[in-house]
Amino acid sequence: GENVEQHPSTLSVQEGDSAVIKCTYSDSASNYFPWYKQELGKRPQLIIDIRSNVGEKKDQRIAVTLNKTAKHFSLHITETQPEDSAVYFCAASIRGGSYIPTFGRGTSLIVHP
Amino acid sequence: DTGVSQDPRHKITKRGQNVTFRCDPISEHNRLYWYRQTLGQGPEFLTYFQNEAQLEKSRLLSDRFSAERPKGSFSTLEIQRTEQGDSAMYLCASSLGEGGPQHFGDGTRLSIL
Repeated sequence: GENVEQHPSTLSVQEGDSAVIKCTYSDSASNYFPWYKQELGKRPQLIIDIRSNVGEKKDQRIAVTLNKTAKHFSLHITETQPEDSAVYFCAASIRGGSYIPTFGRGTSLIVHP
Repeated sequence: DTGVSQDPRHKITKRGQNVTFRCDPISEHNRLYWYRQTLGQGPEFLTYFQNEAQLEKSRLLSDRFSAERPKGSFSTLEIQRTEQGDSAMYLCASSLGEGGPQHFGDGTRLSIL
């Protein structure tokens, strides 16, 4: 089955800095990669996703890049703000069929004011 | 709010008791997923429905677990003879169609005494 590794487990940055979270996956058939943000005690919320036919996708301060050959994808957050503090999860799945995502273990992002 | 709703938010019970959780998906969503999340981990897939049909179950779903979605709308997850290891957050998510992004509920936190 799919295995998703996520690094780092904790990331501490100063407000205004950039943050990068990296994930690798094992199943070359995976073609859909969502990222979720989970604040303490709240539901995971989809913040951005990317499909395997695209190498990069941006949404305001958030971007995701995908390297299919190396089987890794990354989340980039620029100009971080204290409200970006949360746990971020990457996931990989095969779009079409059951579409069951395998999640990474999460990265706790702390943005210091 | 027409998002995914789960009930109850918290459940405390003694070991050996049965518990049942409910999930109401976004109304037009035909797919419904159950996950389990423990501290420091990403959500782990348990089972999913397309309309009223339960199409896949994880190996994590022991015989003590059963899920239903009788009319293709809300779903219930029952755990019989609860054990300490069942303590976790149980998340429900729904999506539209094949490969649509999953939207999560706030979860039910289960604590076994």
